[in-house]
Amino acid sequence: DSGVTQTPKHLITATGQRVTLRCSPRSGDLSVYWYQQSLDQGLQFLIQYYNGEERAKGNILERFSAQQFPDLHSELNLSSLELGDSALYFCASSAEGSAGGGVAGELFFGEGSRLTVL
Amino acid sequence: GEDVEQSLFLSVREGDSSVINCTYTDSSSTYLYWYKQEPGAGLQLLTYIFSNMDMKQDQRLTVLLNKKDKHLSLRIADTQTGDSAIYFCAESNYQLIWGAGTKLIIKP
Repeated sequence: DSGVTQTPKHLITATGQRVTLRCSPRSGDLSVYWYQQSLDQGLQFLIQYYNGEERAKGNILERFSAQQFPDLHSELNLSSLELGDSALYFCASSAEGSAGGGVAGELFFGEGSRLTVL
Repeated sequence: GEDVEQSLFLSVREGDSSVINCTYTDSSSTYLYWYKQEPGAGLQLLTYIFSNMDMKQDQRLTVLLNKKDKHLSLRIADTQTGDSAIYFCAESNYQLIWGAGTKLIIKP
């Protein structure tokens, strides 16, 4: 158990809809990262938050947005969903602000939210 | 830009050694990592190596780093069925750059 909790574990929805994925980081971790894992594109970094502020942005579509709340949990909002958005969405947390800035830069991953868009 | 490349699949017999290879482009990487993703689970840090090291050994795992060729490898000795997973190589300077993952398949 990594200590990172993601909900829901599975989600099936239709094209054009909007969903929200939720992540609770490990206790005390200030950084939250969102990743998308699909069969054909491997692990894609979407966005990172540190203590409520956006820290880094990766290949995140304009239809997607995220935020980190004062209690450090984070939500990833996916809107106007397309078939190609079907993927496993991971949240990860770390204690440091940047993944490479700490002693080991270890990320702790949740089990993921599997999104299926029909 | 920075890039990390890995083969997508590796098939080995149970009991043999597995060697998973990775090449990267950012010579200023501070750390290089191997993460393991078991079926239905998230990624978990398996081991890492600091950029000023050439080798790191931890029980059945040996990590070799060739900075000149920007090549990282993970050797798993006496591969077991429990080693079946996807192994991700990642490099880090400020942000993590991930490889596509190598799926390790164990043949009986």
